[in-house]
Amino acid sequence: QVQLVQSGAEVKKPGASVKVSCKTSGYTFTTYAMHWVRQAPGQGLEWMGWINVGNGYTKYSQKFQGRVTIYRDTSASTAYMDVSRLTSEDTAVYYCARDSSIAIRYFDSWGQGTLVTVSS
Amino acid sequence: QLVLTQSPSASASLGASVKLTCTLSSGHSNYAIAWHQQQPEKGPRFLMKLNSDGSHSKGDGIPDRFSGSSSGSERYLTISSLQSEDEADYYCQTWGTGILFGGGTKLTVL
Repeated sequence: QVQLVQSGAEVKKPGASVKVSCKTSGYTFTTYAMHWVRQAPGQGLEWMGWINVGNGYTKYSQKFQGRVTIYRDTSASTAYMDVSRLTSEDTAVYYCARDSSIAIRYFDSWGQGTLVTVSS
Repeated sequence: QLVLTQSPSASASLGASVKLTCTLSSGHSNYAIAWHQQQPEKGPRFLMKLNSDGSHSKGDGIPDRFSGSSSGSERYLTISSLQSEDEADYYCQTWGTGILFGGGTKLTVL
């Protein structure tokens, strides 16, 4: 079965960077796109960006352009997301979510989430 | 501009049925959406993809109690025979050049 297993919780200071990983299994990694979504405490879901895992093409929500980097390691079937210049507003649970296709459509599988806390 | 609108809250009694609505903004009535469920303190789970003609395809293991339908710019999620574990937040999601979520509906099972 499809599994997306994310890295553990992180605590970071303002101005630092964080890397979150999403290790996949149960399917051919390169034939589905991967997205990253975050959820601040008590808030809804917010899309951050996506990667075409096959060719490495990425696109980011305008809000995160320049501060978020999404990439993948096909040999490890793992997707990654880096967020730089963290502030307290970045405190949230971050999810990876597999697309139903290699392009942008809808999510058919989610990771368990990674809590990132930004605090001085 | 593509926008998804959901009522913030809904409630229904145990064993009853409830119909949640996701409304697409003007000019986007042909868009398909997906429904996702988020139980308290858990990550989201994909429920189904719902097309403009009402046809839908559900995720693995989603009970028959969950169904979808469409009318014009509205997309519906109907949950029948409500159970306590159906108490959750429900999000609709669509796509264009990026991904868009509705604000979510918090369902309370009375």
